[in-house]
Formats: sequence, C-alpha cells, structure tokens
Amino acid sequence: QVQLLQSGAEVKKPGASVKVSCKASGYTFTDYYIHWVRQAPGQGLEWLGWINPNSGGTNYAQNFQGRVTMTRDTSISTAYMNLSGLRFDDTAVYFCARNSGRGGFVDFDYWGQGTLVTVSS
Amino acid sequence: DIQMTQSPSSLSASVGDRVTITCRASQSIASYLNWYQQKPGKPPKLLIYAASSLQIGVPSRFSGSGSGTDFTLTITSLQPEDFATYYCQQSYSSLTFGGGTKVEIK
Repeated sequence: QVQLLQSGAEVKKPGASVKVSCKASGYTFTDYYIHWVRQAPGQGLEWLGWINPNSGGTNYAQNFQGRVTMTRDTSISTAYMNLSGLRFDDTAVYFCARNSGRGGFVDFDYWGQGTLVTVSS
Repeated sequence: DIQMTQSPSSLSASVGDRVTITCRASQSIASYLNWYQQKPGKPPKLLIYAASSLQIGVPSRFSGSGSGTDFTLTITSLQPEDFATYYCQQSYSSLTFGGGTKVEIK
C-alpha cells in the first residue's frame, strides 16, 4: 500500500533552517510528483511547492521562493523540504503529499502524517 | 494568485442532514477544483477531484459540482464520521486552498 512516512518533530530557533524528509513506499517513487503543504496551528492549508522525483525539477510558491529548497534521493525513495531563515510564523505542521497524476489536474491522493516544526527562541 | 473563498466558515448540522458548502474562485478555474476532508491531528483526505469526480473509496453521499468560479460540495445525509473541516483547492494557476469550512454537531 502507498505510504508517505515523514521525519519527526523539530524545534528550531529563529533564523535557523529545518529539513523534513518524506519516505515513499508502495509505488514507484519517480512516477509521481511530491508536493509540500503546511498548516499553522488552528489555520488553513498553504502550498509550498513541488518536486519531480524523476528529474529533480522543482516549482516553489512565490511566498517561499528564496527560502525553500526541495530535493530528493531516488536511491531511498525520499523527498526532502528544507526551509531556511525560520521565523516564528513558520511554526506549523508540514505535510508531503503525492500528486495523483491525473492528466493536467493536481490533486493529492496520499499524504504524509505531518511533521510539526516549532520555531521558538 | 487566485483566491478561493469558502462559505460558510462553519456550520452546525445534525446526523441525516443535507449539507452544502460553497467555494468561489476569484477568476475562472474551469474544473481544476478538488475537495478535501480533514479531521483533527490528521492529514487531509481527498474526496472529490476535477470538481465532480468521486475519489475511490469515498462514500457516494459526497458529491461535487460546478465549473468556472462557483463550486459546491454536498453531503446528502450527514453521518457522525463526517464532522470535520472541509477545504477546496484549485490548481488552475499555481495552487491555493480555501479557508476551510468546519462542520460541527448541532
């Protein structure tokens, strides 16, 4: 069965960086784009961008350009999201999600369990 | 960026009720609209994709309609497990989510 398993919770200081991993299993990792979405406490969902695990190509949301970097390691079927210059308002649960790949549509059929990133001094 | 506006932001309903949630896009997004259900402490779950297609495994009491700028998610007979927050999401241009609609027990 398809699974996306994320790394554990992180506590970081303002200005630091965090790297969250997302290990895929149950399907061919390079066949589906991985997206990253975050959710601040009690708030809605915010899209950060995607990575094409096959080519390594990326596309970042404008709000995060310059601060976010998405990479992958195909040998271990794992995608990574690195966010730098952390601020207090980056405190959120970060999710990875698989794009189902249905034609030109982007919808997320599988999600990771989420990784809580807390920015605190 | 395309703004997605959901209404209402919350509603109270009883088991067996018919519930309708709307999502309006700030410009036409054709049918590039999905709906998700999220329960506390869990990731979102895909319910409807491409505005009206039911995701595999989702009960048929969920349905979606609309195109262009106005979309609707309908739950025909609310069940206890349906109390959750619902989000719309567009992928016509970049990707944005609506603010969410919390469905609570009356």
